[in-house]
Amino acid sequence: DQQVKQNSPSLSVQEGRISILNCDYTNSMFDYFLWYKKYPAEGPTFLISISSIKDKNEDGRFTVFLNKSAKHLSLHIVPSQPGDSAVYFCAASEGGATNKLIFGTGTLLAVQP
Amino acid sequence: NAGVTQTPKFRILKIGQSMTLQCTQDMNHNYMYWYRQDPGMGLKLIYYSVGAGITDKGEVPNGYNVSRSTTEDFPLRLELAAPSQTSVYFCASRRRTGTPDTEAFFGQGTRLTVV
Repeated sequence: DQQVKQNSPSLSVQEGRISILNCDYTNSMFDYFLWYKKYPAEGPTFLISISSIKDKNEDGRFTVFLNKSAKHLSLHIVPSQPGDSAVYFCAASEGGATNKLIFGTGTLLAVQP
Repeated sequence: NAGVTQTPKFRILKIGQSMTLQCTQDMNHNYMYWYRQDPGMGLKLIYYSVGAGITDKGEVPNGYNVSRSTTEDFPLRLELAAPSQTSVYFCASRRRTGTPDTEAFFGQGTRLTVV
């Protein structure tokens, strides 16, 4: 049972345009959501996060939107740069004592120069 | 600041052999996690720990064991290696706060091949 889903395995965009990566979740107990970026042969690195009490969080070129009623979040990258080419993982945390951190399957973003 | 350190970086095991993947963090984080990433797949949670002496199963725990005797270390044990355990393994740690609004920090990974 995949609790966090990224239905687009890959995405290709032109440099300077907007990249939109999507993520859906099924567990209503998730209260904190994160995006990670991963380059080959490296560990994932944290990008941006959002609490369930918010619907938007912005950090420079990166903005995450959360729609709790739809159990959907998205990551917007504007403008996209070739260095953004990587695999992006969505993750969700269930609060309380466990703090389990569940990841999605990832989306490979390719930004074309 | 070393962060999360995993050893070894690469390992080839024969079917039936056992090994321990080491993970240590120097950030005094309470929460620690083990994930595996199969080719073209996401990160699957194997085991996690909320503090020394406390561990729990994740999404794919079968074939693995963990222990957490100290805050710093969270080793992952494979008792009878199988080809299905060929994967890249990542360890992560996360600070405990009153609310879960913190990110997890990852190690560089251990690439394991079982032949």
